[in-house]
Amino acid sequence: LAKTTQPISMDSYEGQEVNITCSHNNIATNDYITWYQQFPSQGPRFIIQGYKTKVTNEVASLFIPADRKSSTLSLPRVSLSDTAVYYCLVLNQAGTALIFGKGTTLSVSS
Amino acid sequence: GAVVSQHPSWVICKSGTSVKIECRSLDFQATTMFWYRQFPKQSLMLMATSNEGSKATYEQGVEKDKFLINHASLTLSTLTVTSAHPEDSSFYICSPSGKKNNEQFFGPGTRLTVL
Repeated sequence: LAKTTQPISMDSYEGQEVNITCSHNNIATNDYITWYQQFPSQGPRFIIQGYKTKVTNEVASLFIPADRKSSTLSLPRVSLSDTAVYYCLVLNQAGTALIFGKGTTLSVSS
Repeated sequence: GAVVSQHPSWVICKSGTSVKIECRSLDFQATTMFWYRQFPKQSLMLMATSNEGSKATYEQGVEKDKFLINHASLTLSTLTVTSAHPEDSSFYICSPSGKKNNEQFFGPGTRLTVL
């Protein structure tokens, strides 16, 4: 399974755009990149998933360069409620357990 | 996304008792169920994987006789913590995986506190 590396923590202010970069140097051809959000005492919540280039949904954007060795989660105009832990994971096929790294703790202040 | 429920959401018990946690996937069939636990300020750790109708596979360091997993149906899996001790106090999260694209879903978690 591809190992991921991401910053332990990030700080931001309300209204700013936040970009969290994750490296996954040994990602395999069939791997997808997936991001989850977790609030205290809750299960992780799916944010976005991509394979290459750019993916956008109503919550975030995911940028993946051509070599796919890294990815960047972009959260536009964060609010206080976006304070959470964000996990970058690599999923190699449906049905395989997700292995979580330490994640990035994002703190949004007013 | 899929709807996953866990019951109870929290439980406090005395040391030596057993606790059963239920996980239900309400709107899709979970052929595989993953169980995780999470200690304070740490990441999720995979405990075991179970396939419907089969015995669970446990990760290294997880005692199979202590954490009993039953996955008798495609919509229900249970985790029983037998003879719980304070060091078993943790946040337990189930994650059903089924034939519904590549997204893996997670339950809301169960907070277990062993006194």
